[in-house]
Amino acid sequence: QKEVEQDPGPLSVPEGAIVSLNCTYSNSAFQYFMWYRQYSRKGPELLMYTYSSGNKEDGRFTAQVDKSSKYISLFIRDSQPSDSATYLCAMSYNNNDMRFGAGTRLTVKP
Amino acid sequence: ETGVTQSPTHLIKTRGQQVTLRCSSQSGHNTVSWYQQALGQGPQFIFQYYREEENGRGNFPPRFSGLQFPNYSSELNVNALELDDSALYLCASSLIGSGDTQYFGPGTRLTVL
Repeated sequence: QKEVEQDPGPLSVPEGAIVSLNCTYSNSAFQYFMWYRQYSRKGPELLMYTYSSGNKEDGRFTAQVDKSSKYISLFIRDSQPSDSATYLCAMSYNNNDMRFGAGTRLTVKP
Repeated sequence: ETGVTQSPTHLIKTRGQQVTLRCSSQSGHNTVSWYQQALGQGPQFIFQYYREEENGRGNFPPRFSGLQFPNYSSELNVNALELDDSALYLCASSLIGSGDTQYFGPGTRLTVL
């Protein structure tokens, strides 16, 4: 079993849809949870960063962490074609060594 | 504020050769981490440098080594290149103790033939 599991997709949605992206993990020591967006052949760009459990909202993006279920989610509201990218979840117990999911490829169709 | 930069952008080497990749950290950051991202996979942690010393290492062999310089820039060296070393190498910087996370550079794409 991988330490971080993420459905690789691909996921295709129409413009304006709500997108839900998820990861599960096995290491209960993880305390820091991140979502990165990565365009093709580019470096990952930080979208959301949360510590411990709870929700965090930033514009059209909402991140949720449920440590009891070892489950994290990213919601994208009013999705746009420019949101088409690979979304990576990442987590860490010490904010140093980050463990990534394999990434979910998202396409938002106009 | 200057972001993380990496050089070169692309590199082609042959099996058995050695390679050096470079990274300049974001202004104000004192820690540099290196990750390897194979095609279609998430990044994997190689190691982190803080105060010019290795501050954690992932499951990579000793032929992967690094340096951090007083200006917080960093190098990743890979000896005896293997075909499986072909990947995107990512550098990420952070300010240790700040509670903030890591910010990535654009990466160096290494192809080993």
